[in-house]
Amino acid sequence: AQSVAQPEDQVNVAEGNPLTVKCTYSVSGNPYLFWYVQYPNRGLQFLLKYITGDNLVKGSYGFEAEFNKSQTSFHLKKPSALVSDSALYFCAVRDNGGSQGNLIFGKGTKLSVKP
Amino acid sequence: DTAVSQTPKYLVTQMGNDKSIKCEQNLGHDTMYWYKQDSKKFLKIMFSYNNKELIINETVPNRFSPKSPDKAHLNLHINSLELGDSAVYFCASSQDWGGPEAFFGQGTRLTVV
Repeated sequence: AQSVAQPEDQVNVAEGNPLTVKCTYSVSGNPYLFWYVQYPNRGLQFLLKYITGDNLVKGSYGFEAEFNKSQTSFHLKKPSALVSDSALYFCAVRDNGGSQGNLIFGKGTKLSVKP
Repeated sequence: DTAVSQTPKYLVTQMGNDKSIKCEQNLGHDTMYWYKQDSKKFLKIMFSYNNKELIINETVPNRFSPKSPDKAHLNLHINSLELGDSAVYFCASSQDWGGPEAFFGQGTRLTVV
């Protein structure tokens, strides 16, 4: 079965500093990996995806994620955090290890960026 | 112009009641979903519909019944509501089952008292 793990419940960063939100995955086929963000009282918004190709994926709002096959990781990164980045971040994987299927979400990581 | 819209945004009801949540998408997508987010923010798929046909029904009590009158709508009807049904329910859609990204509604916060 496919799964993702987000080992940190919360990440605290000072504004202007780089941020990393961690995600590791377990899939039986090719990994189709995603990051979503949820702002307070809002639905989820798509940030970026990895399907194939370059290991460094660029997404919305200056975020990027690095796919590392050997470490089975897909960490979300941003070079310089903004207070407005404070939100709940979800890593997700397709549930059948392929191009079709539902999204299986991690438990979420709360990012808090302080001025 | 809202891509995926759900109504109502908040719903407070008593145990035992029957309620419905409506979802509409104007993206022309073929696939729609219902997700449940519990109090710990854990997200879990409930149903997937592709072209009005049910393709996935996770381990959800049969008190929950989705209805898709057309590709643009996927409503969720819940019978005999229980306290444990309290959660935020998200509707989502994607171009097809496995579309590169899913678009989510703003959620319906259901509180059963």
